[in-house]
Amino acid sequence: AQTVTQSQPEMSVQEAETVTLSCTYDTSESDYYLFWYKQPPSRQMILVIRQEAYKQQNATENRFSVNFQKAAKSFSLKISDSQLGDAAMYFCAYSIVYGGSQGNLIFGKGTKLSVKP
Amino acid sequence: EAQVTQNPRYLITVTGKKLTVTCSQNMNHEYMSWYRQDPGLGLRQIYYSMNVEVTDKGDVPEGYKVSRKEKRNFPLILESPSPNQTSLYFCASSARRLAGGAQYFGPGTRLTVT
Repeated sequence: AQTVTQSQPEMSVQEAETVTLSCTYDTSESDYYLFWYKQPPSRQMILVIRQEAYKQQNATENRFSVNFQKAAKSFSLKISDSQLGDAAMYFCAYSIVYGGSQGNLIFGKGTKLSVKP
Repeated sequence: EAQVTQNPRYLITVTGKKLTVTCSQNMNHEYMSWYRQDPGLGLRQIYYSMNVEVTDKGDVPEGYKVSRKEKRNFPLILESPSPNQTSLYFCASSARRLAGGAQYFGPGTRLTVT
């Protein structure tokens, strides 16, 4: 069974600094998607960034980038120039591409990020 | 505006009183699903639907029912709610091939069962 592990329950970063959130996953599939979702205090789930496993190039979205290491099954999120609005719970998630459960997101337990002014 | 809506946003009910949480999307997505979020557990899938009249169990389906009679709607039914179903519930939708992976989430429904 696929699993997603976020080993850092809480992280803290100074405003304008860089922080990296860790995520590892376990799967026997060769093609899949990986995601980072942000959940601010409003509780809305917001897609931050996604990575397709067949793409070797790491995804980037403005200040957010990932370090995707397929062999190591690692998918970390780097937030550069941290802003107060980045304070939130961050969830790493996995989904297969094909098969009956296509679309079922498997989530990690989350990392709570605090940003200090 | 592309969105997933849920109602109600907050609900307090008593054990055994049947309730329905509605979910609707305006993006013509084939795929819809329900998740529950509990502290320290992340989000876990309850049920999903690949298309109209096609539903299947997720990881934690016990105590829940769903139906998909129309493409845009995917209600979650709790026939006899119990306190262990107190949780934050999210509905989500995506295009069939995940459109590159993007799932759109509703705003969440906070349910308390006393």
